[in-house]
Amino acid sequence: GAVVSQHPSRVICKSGTSVKIECRSLDFQATTMFWYRQFPKKSLMLMATSNEGSKATYEQGVEKDKFLINHASLTLSTLTVTSAHPEDSSFYICSARPSNEKLFFGSGTQLSVL
Amino acid sequence: AQTVTQSQPEMSVQEAETVTLSCTYDTSESDYYLFWYKQPPSRQMILVIRQEAYKQQNATENRFSVNFQKAAKSFSLKISDSQLGDAAMYFCAYRRPAGGNTGKLIFGQGTTLQVKP
Repeated sequence: GAVVSQHPSRVICKSGTSVKIECRSLDFQATTMFWYRQFPKKSLMLMATSNEGSKATYEQGVEKDKFLINHASLTLSTLTVTSAHPEDSSFYICSARPSNEKLFFGSGTQLSVL
Repeated sequence: AQTVTQSQPEMSVQEAETVTLSCTYDTSESDYYLFWYKQPPSRQMILVIRQEAYKQQNATENRFSVNFQKAAKSFSLKISDSQLGDAAMYFCAYRRPAGGNTGKLIFGQGTTLQVKP
């Protein structure tokens, strides 16, 4: 089946630094990818929709200057958390679909900001 | 806007028994997809089952089946012969018909399922 690879799986950074998370579709092209955020034992909240070759679409309440999304190719989307602070600590998950049907998820990235 | 509600934060079931997880949703659309996802401690999201709204027949996948009541906007998941490996957080999700950016999923709050040996 289709595979979505997400890296890193875990990252610890100092407050004020920026962190980049990569999401790759390994065996299919994805014009659209989705970025979710999940707090412990909570639901997945959609942050933004990443569109290849164009600007991402952010959900209401998500700071686009804080969470920079780049989808420069059909197999790679990146999420950069800029000037990270402890409240940005969370589990981030990407997803992508090879067709108009099934959606596949990456394995997630646990971000801890000290 | 569409919403998905899971009113059971936690459920428990005895191994080999059957358990039903509840989900309701709200939408004004007639065509959509509904999903149940499993998130084990590894936190990898795993698709359990999918239902197309235009299909009256309830979806089944081995020990997993759904009770889809379109008029009531209800979409419950039944797990038969529960196994220890079924212990996880389960999410009900809604999606509009595919196309453009409509592939995004709207998730319910989740239900943590405990399976007792």
